[in-house]
Amino acid sequence: ILNVEQSPQSLHVQEGDSTNFTCSFPSSNFYALHWYRWETAKSPEALFVMTLNGDEKKKGRISATLNTKEGYSYLYIKGSQPEDSATYLCAPTGTSYGKLTFGQGTILTVHP
Amino acid sequence: NAGVTQTPKFQVLKTGQSMTLQCAQDMNHNSMYWYRQDPGMGLRLIYYSASEGTTDKGEVPNGYNVSRLNKREFSLRLESAAPSQTSVYFCASTKLFDEQFFGPGTRLTVL
Repeated sequence: ILNVEQSPQSLHVQEGDSTNFTCSFPSSNFYALHWYRWETAKSPEALFVMTLNGDEKKKGRISATLNTKEGYSYLYIKGSQPEDSATYLCAPTGTSYGKLTFGQGTILTVHP
Repeated sequence: NAGVTQTPKFQVLKTGQSMTLQCAQDMNHNSMYWYRQDPGMGLRLIYYSASEGTTDKGEVPNGYNVSRLNKREFSLRLESAAPSQTSVYFCASTKLFDEQFFGPGTRLTVL
């Protein structure tokens, strides 16, 4: 069982603020790092799947970076909007058939 | 294209009763997964099936069994439900190593 840590546990920001959170994971036996967005009363939805060290991915105002050598990934949200309020989960996978180990998540609340 | 579907959406059981949670996907994915979600514990993997005909234990398999009926369907069975199994259960599927697609969840309460 991988030790996956996400920080902070929760975050409150004002509309328009930019924010970022961290996912830390063991750097050994790494294949890919997933980020998911999970809105209340819905199911998790994938944001990014990243595999390469130094990789950076972007979807609209959300971007993510990956450092596989030191075992961390950052998720950035530029100009937060109330609809960005959700729990953001990261999950690394090793070589074992895409078996993910999820972190506890960062709960983001964006206040209008 | 329904994606991942789960039945039932809600269920209340008494301790000791059995039930099967059903999951089906229509995306021709090879791999399927069962997770449970508990407050403060995040999503934890119960069982997974890397491909049709194979199943393996995840992080919290005790008290559960699974069947990969065919490529589309992956069921989770509770043989003798316990209050500790009160949770929200999510099924997911993926092509190997790709993003996972989640079903809507089953909210189970064991009294």
